[in-house]
Amino acid sequence: TQLLEQSPQFLSIQEGENLTVYCNSSSVFSSLQWYRQEPGEGPVLLVTVVTGGEVKKLKRLTFQFGDARKDSSLHITAAQPGDTGLYLCAGAAGTYKYIFGTGTRLKVLA
Amino acid sequence: EPEVTQTPSHQVTQMGQEVILRCVPISNHLYFYWYRQILGQKVEFLVSFYNNEISEKSEIFDDQFSVERPDGSNFTLKIRSTKLEDSAMYFCASSLGGSMNTEAFFGQGTRLTVV
Repeated sequence: TQLLEQSPQFLSIQEGENLTVYCNSSSVFSSLQWYRQEPGEGPVLLVTVVTGGEVKKLKRLTFQFGDARKDSSLHITAAQPGDTGLYLCAGAAGTYKYIFGTGTRLKVLA
Repeated sequence: EPEVTQTPSHQVTQMGQEVILRCVPISNHLYFYWYRQILGQKVEFLVSFYNNEISEKSEIFDDQFSVERPDGSNFTLKIRSTKLEDSAMYFCASSLGGSMNTEAFFGQGTRLTVV
């Protein structure tokens, strides 16, 4: 069974601080997506990483896919209250399924 | 921007009743999925659908569940006899290609409450 573990589970930081969220597995994934989810809403896609070692930037967010394609990280620079939400990683587990990580709930205090 | 739409946004049903959750995937997408998220828990895969048949399903997707694409635009999830533990947010998703090659886009979800 493929599992994706995210850490930390909860994170509360002050506006302006930097943070990193980790998504780890013992399995190899062909691609990995990061989503953000607001309460009562569906996951919204942020980025997809495909190649081992790949780094993608989305404004203040930097996503990295591990060389072995078993792990990924999301780094946020100078966090803002608008970054508050649940961050989910999801890996492609075969052709017809994505599996989701356990989630990291981020709260950025003004 | 194209999006996945789901209806209703909230459904309350009596235990034992049948419910149908509806989804309109992105129009040119070929792969369709249902996921659920019990309050406070992780997003769980239920089923994927491609070429008018189920491609993969999880152990959660038992005989009480079924999916259908009755026409060219809708994708439905039916729960035949709801149980209290079926209460959750149900998300529909679609992707252009299979999960190995493309990303999935999710709808806003249907909150199902079984009483």
